[in-house]
Amino acid sequence: GAVVSQHPSRVICKSGTSVKIECRSLDFQATTMFWYRQFPKQSLMLMATSNEGSKATYEQGVEKDKFLINHASLTLSTLTVTSAHPEDSSFYICSARVRLSYNEQFFGPGTRLTVL
Amino acid sequence: GDSVTQMEGPVTLSEEAFLTINCTYTATGYPSLFWYVQYPGEGLQLLLKATKADDKGSNKGFEATYRKETTSFHLEKGSVQVSDSAVYFCALDSGTYKYIFGTGTRLKVLA
Repeated sequence: GAVVSQHPSRVICKSGTSVKIECRSLDFQATTMFWYRQFPKQSLMLMATSNEGSKATYEQGVEKDKFLINHASLTLSTLTVTSAHPEDSSFYICSARVRLSYNEQFFGPGTRLTVL
Repeated sequence: GDSVTQMEGPVTLSEEAFLTINCTYTATGYPSLFWYVQYPGEGLQLLLKATKADDKGSNKGFEATYRKETTSFHLEKGSVQVSDSAVYFCALDSGTYKYIFGTGTRLKVLA
């Protein structure tokens, strides 16, 4: 149980285009989903916290107009990187908090974004 | 604010060697502590966790004990295998549901 999937696993796009990444909790309801960014050989940086049915809360320094987050249901959150540029190339990881487990997050496998 | 400090890597060991990866934390209150493992090109997998002082988390031969007096949660394994080569992250949740991650420690085990 507690499986989180991400789609796509890898995406290559041209500069200026927008890319959508999906994060799904497959066998549980997730009240909260988190989006992280990981640079090569570095730790995870929390970008935003997403609650179902409400606006995402962004961490300081993260551009909310650049990284659009939608949490339409208890099992799906999406991250859209708008007008992507090469500096947006990174590994994006989502996680989900189980509705009845207050302190454990389950992580997706990550999405590798490369912007040319 | 809350923080997690991990020993810098990379750590290179021979197969069957003893492993210790140090992790110390700073937090208000009583955080939950976690160790995650990340294999190349993959997301994070929970390795073990501890939710209160003196708890010992264990999984797949790895252990870590929540030491409140030293604010530490060191990861240990008695005999590492080549397949343990990965990056290990220490993390805490101080009750805000946001994880604070350490910088990660890369482990390389040689046959």
